[in-house]
Amino acid sequence: SYVLTQPPSVSVAPGQTANIPCGGRNIGSKTVHWYQQKPGHAPVVVVHDDSARPSGIPERISGSRSGSAATLTISRVEAGDEADYYCQVWDSSSEHTVVFGGGTKLTVL
Amino acid sequence: QITLQESGPTLVKPTQTLTVTCTFSGFSLSSYAVGVTWIRQPPGKAPEWLGLIYWNDEKAYSPSLKARLTITKDTSKNLVVLTLTNVEPADTATYYCAHVVSDYFDPWGHGTLVTVSS
Repeated sequence: SYVLTQPPSVSVAPGQTANIPCGGRNIGSKTVHWYQQKPGHAPVVVVHDDSARPSGIPERISGSRSGSAATLTISRVEAGDEADYYCQVWDSSSEHTVVFGGGTKLTVL
Repeated sequence: QITLQESGPTLVKPTQTLTVTCTFSGFSLSSYAVGVTWIRQPPGKAPEWLGLIYWNDEKAYSPSLKARLTITKDTSKNLVVLTLTNVEPADTATYYCAHVVSDYFDPWGHGTLVTVSS
């Protein structure tokens, strides 16, 4: 089965840039989506289709994808960005299934 | 505005059948290409996709749960039902339903915590 790998944690100081990677086999051929989850709340999509931002998501949050990894970038990090972030793809290589990464806890120092 | 709300038992005994209902508004499951998905999240862990149902009754299930999982819809009542048979403690999780947008999910319901314990 397909696996998405994320670092368990990323820490940055306020005002700095946080980069959260998401790796997977042939991820360059897949479309990646990103969710933010704050404690006690449901996940919310912050980037879809690799780099598109839903309305209401600040421009400080962006996504990119290269051949070997996808990355969620949060510029000018604020305390309110502290949350768990999950990447997600639709794996159609075998059975059509949805896969989530293990999640990255973003800590704002 | 699209909203979804999950409802179901908070406690289920091992070997029993879990049924969770998703009631939604703001879209119709009879409209072309519309879908609803189920996702669960064990405490402190990442979300796990369970399955989904489309407007035309096409369904997809997680291979690991396919044998125990059924998703149905009632278009007239704007609801989707998840049924998981023969539950065990590892099925303890917050169960979410979400609106399917191509191949991502937006928005999600608030979720309902289900504990499997004797």
